[in-house]
Amino acid sequence: DAMVIQNPRYQVTQFGKPVTLSCSQTLNHNVMYWYQQKSSQAPKLLFHYYDKDFNNEADTPDNFQSRRPNTSFCFLDIRSPGLGDAAMYLCATSRPRGLGQSTDTQYFGPGTRLTVL
Amino acid sequence: AQSVTQPDIHITVSEGASLELRCNYSYGATPYLFWYVQSPGQGLQLLLKYFSGDTLVQGIKGFEAEFKRSQSSFNLRKPSVHWSDAAEYFCAVGARDNAGNMLTFGGGTRLMVKP
Repeated sequence: DAMVIQNPRYQVTQFGKPVTLSCSQTLNHNVMYWYQQKSSQAPKLLFHYYDKDFNNEADTPDNFQSRRPNTSFCFLDIRSPGLGDAAMYLCATSRPRGLGQSTDTQYFGPGTRLTVL
Repeated sequence: AQSVTQPDIHITVSEGASLELRCNYSYGATPYLFWYVQSPGQGLQLLLKYFSGDTLVQGIKGFEAEFKRSQSSFNLRKPSVHWSDAAEYFCAVGARDNAGNMLTFGGGTRLMVKP
């Protein structure tokens, strides 16, 4: 089945130790998103890729970076995790409905729960 | 900029009872509207969506939602709730005419189901 896969499902890291979360998709969608979701809160968009074009949200900390080496894979790098970065990280994908319309149905992966010790 | 309000943070219903989760949005034009469900420790699963056409949309798991432009609402309904429906529900709006806009989520409604 076509899907969005996130690895690992659970990640434990130490304060200040870089960590990378992985997302892959078999949907062949050209837009990939990373969201941060803290407990009992709505998902918050960090950034997204439209093909190879990176779009950062204005309030995303510099500590968060992303890479998209090809259509199928996207990575979230947290350079120096702090205690406040402990959260669920969700990856999503979509295929825009037309030129200039980036909003479309987003399909989410199962998430990676990050714990910072 | 668009916004979404889910007035009910928590709702408890008895199994077999009907359910309505409220969602109000703010946007100047006709939006894309979505309902997602999230079970504990899981990602978001799409329940249903409205883009255009019939304002009553059917989704998975027996859910439906009705888009009411006059009330800026997109409430989610189910005639008979099952214990497995206990989860967090998120309403979201996407802008139709701004290439740079992403989904805006409401704060979520946590549904608990009593046996």
